[in-house]
Amino acid sequence: EAQVTQNPRYLITVTGKKLTVTCSQNMNHEYMSWYRQDPGLGLRQIYYSMNVEVTDKGDVPEGYKVSRKEKRNFPLILESPSPNQTSLYFCASGLAEFPNTGELFFGEGSRLTVL
Amino acid sequence: SQQGEEDPQALSIQEGENATMNCSYKTSINNLQWYRQNSGRGLVHLILIRSNEREKHSGRLRVTLDTSKKSSSLLITASRAADTASYFCATDPLETDSWGKLQFGAGTQVVVTP
Repeated sequence: EAQVTQNPRYLITVTGKKLTVTCSQNMNHEYMSWYRQDPGLGLRQIYYSMNVEVTDKGDVPEGYKVSRKEKRNFPLILESPSPNQTSLYFCASGLAEFPNTGELFFGEGSRLTVL
Repeated sequence: SQQGEEDPQALSIQEGENATMNCSYKTSINNLQWYRQNSGRGLVHLILIRSNEREKHSGRLRVTLDTSKKSSSLLITASRAADTASYFCATDPLETDSWGKLQFGAGTQVVVTP
């Protein structure tokens, strides 16, 4: 089954404790992206990757890191989480052939609470 | 920054009625997409309309795009309770240095009552 898998789905952590949210897709997509969703703000893009070893900042990259060492995986790293990073996080993947970003496939989301 | 803004923020209708929501955006685009999200779950792609298209249909969905007004509309005909969800528009910027920066609006929450 074609899917984007995120883990963990739910996490409660404390300020400053490094954490990683994993994302894996099995559709051989070149493009992957992370979004956060907050009430009233819709989805805001954190980072995206057009291909292996190529990543770029989205609209809200502060406090986050990513890596793209293999095509299928795109982990989101919070080196020192703070309460304002409490949010619902989505990973997405797609084909994205220049110059179009086409249809995205989303994971089920990771709800993160930072105390 | 948010590119698209949906209107209305919330919509409540009865089964069988049509639901219409609008999306306005600010900069030129390659395409505009609509997604559905059921209560806190992952978004599901509904339809993509390219900048050179004016109207597109998919089942009970009809999307229009007016690039001169920088706006799009999504019409769901003969609504069902299962259509209860949030609907988001997403814009794909035309600028080549913005390739990959698909931007979402805040969404329209639709409730369909039996």
